[in-house]
Amino acid sequence: AQSVAQPEDQVNVAEGNPLTVKCTYSVSGNPYLFWYVQYPNRGLQFLLKYITGDNLVKGSYGFEAEFNKSQTSFHLKKPSALVSDSALYFCAVRDRNNQGGKLIFGQGTELSVKP
Amino acid sequence: EPEVTQTPSHQVTQMGQEVILRCVPISNHLYFYWYRQILGQKVEFLVSFYNNEISEKSEIFDDQFSVERPDGSNFTLKIRSTKLEDSAMYFCASSEGRVGGANVLTFGAGSRLTVL
Repeated sequence: AQSVAQPEDQVNVAEGNPLTVKCTYSVSGNPYLFWYVQYPNRGLQFLLKYITGDNLVKGSYGFEAEFNKSQTSFHLKKPSALVSDSALYFCAVRDRNNQGGKLIFGQGTELSVKP
Repeated sequence: EPEVTQTPSHQVTQMGQEVILRCVPISNHLYFYWYRQILGQKVEFLVSFYNNEISEKSEIFDDQFSVERPDGSNFTLKIRSTKLEDSAMYFCASSEGRVGGANVLTFGAGSRLTVL
């Protein structure tokens, strides 16, 4: 069965410092990997995705994620955090062989960036 | 930018009542989904819908739930007899369904259901 783990419920970072939000997955084959962000009282917004090719994927708002097949990880990173990055971040996976297949989400990590 | 719209944004209902949540997916998308998020918990898959039928559903999606695309634009989730534990934020999503593509899901802002 497919599953996604985000080991940290909360990540606290000072503004201007680099941030990492961790994600590991357990799926058969090579999945598509995604990061979504949820601001308070809002829906999920797509940040970035990994399909194939370069392991470092760049996305919206200066975020990037690194796919590591051997460690089955897809950590979200940003070189310099902003207070406005504070939100709930979800990692998700989907079976590559099913173009309409469901997304399986991790439990979410709350990012708090302090001035 | 195209978006998924959901109505109502918040609905309060009594236990045992029927509820219909409505969604207008992005017009050229082929796959439609409902997810829910109980307060403080993870986002859970409920059902996916393609070519006018359910393509996949989760264990949560029992006989109390149904989906419909009545008119080619709306996509609805019906809960026949609501229970307290149905209180959650319900998200609609849609995707293009292109073969070989990653097919990013675009989510609506959600409908918050409160069952009293």
